[in-house]
Amino acid sequence: DQQVKQNSPSLSVQEGRISILNCDYTNSMFDYFLWYKKYPAEGPTFLISISSIKDKNEDGRFTVFLNKSAKHLSLHIVPSQPGDSAVYFCAASVTDSWGKLQFGAGTQVVVTP
Amino acid sequence: DSGVTQTPKHLITATGQRVTLRCSPRSGDLSVYWYQQSLDQGLQFLIQYYNGEERAKGNILERFSAQQFPDLHSELNLSSLELGDSALYFCASSPGYGEAFFGQGTRLTVV
Repeated sequence: DQQVKQNSPSLSVQEGRISILNCDYTNSMFDYFLWYKKYPAEGPTFLISISSIKDKNEDGRFTVFLNKSAKHLSLHIVPSQPGDSAVYFCAASVTDSWGKLQFGAGTQVVVTP
Repeated sequence: DSGVTQTPKHLITATGQRVTLRCSPRSGDLSVYWYQQSLDQGLQFLIQYYNGEERAKGNILERFSAQQFPDLHSELNLSSLELGDSALYFCASSPGYGEAFFGQGTRLTVV
């Protein structure tokens, strides 16, 4: 039962342009959402999070948007840089179960010069 | 460097054997989580410990068990190993709330 879905397995974007990664969830109990970045042979690295009481959270080049009614969140990376090439995972949890994350399948981002 | 240390980095063992994976959480973090990443299943939550007590369980097989010691390090024990247990096993830690920080993982290969 895939409660968190990332329907785009890959995304190619030019350096300097915007990367938009999408994530959908089915469990309405989720109230905390996170994005992680993962390089090969490394563990996931936390990027940014958002609580369900907000609809936007920004941290430097990264912005996460949450649309609760649509059960959809997105990650915007502006501007995209070659070092952003990695797999990006969307994850969700319930506040009472911190760290018990449900992960999406990931989106491979390739930033080209 | 997330501050979470996992050993060993790589492990190759035969079917039917038992292995122990070790995790040292970030300084001050009371919660430890174990995740399994396999090719066909993605990142799956296995189990959580908080300050020595089991807090939550996910899709963890009965052949697998974990514990958290008084110094807060944790071990994941995998027994009667099968070929399908080959995967990356990640440990993560957090203070008990907020984002979890992941170690570099242990790659287990069962032959």
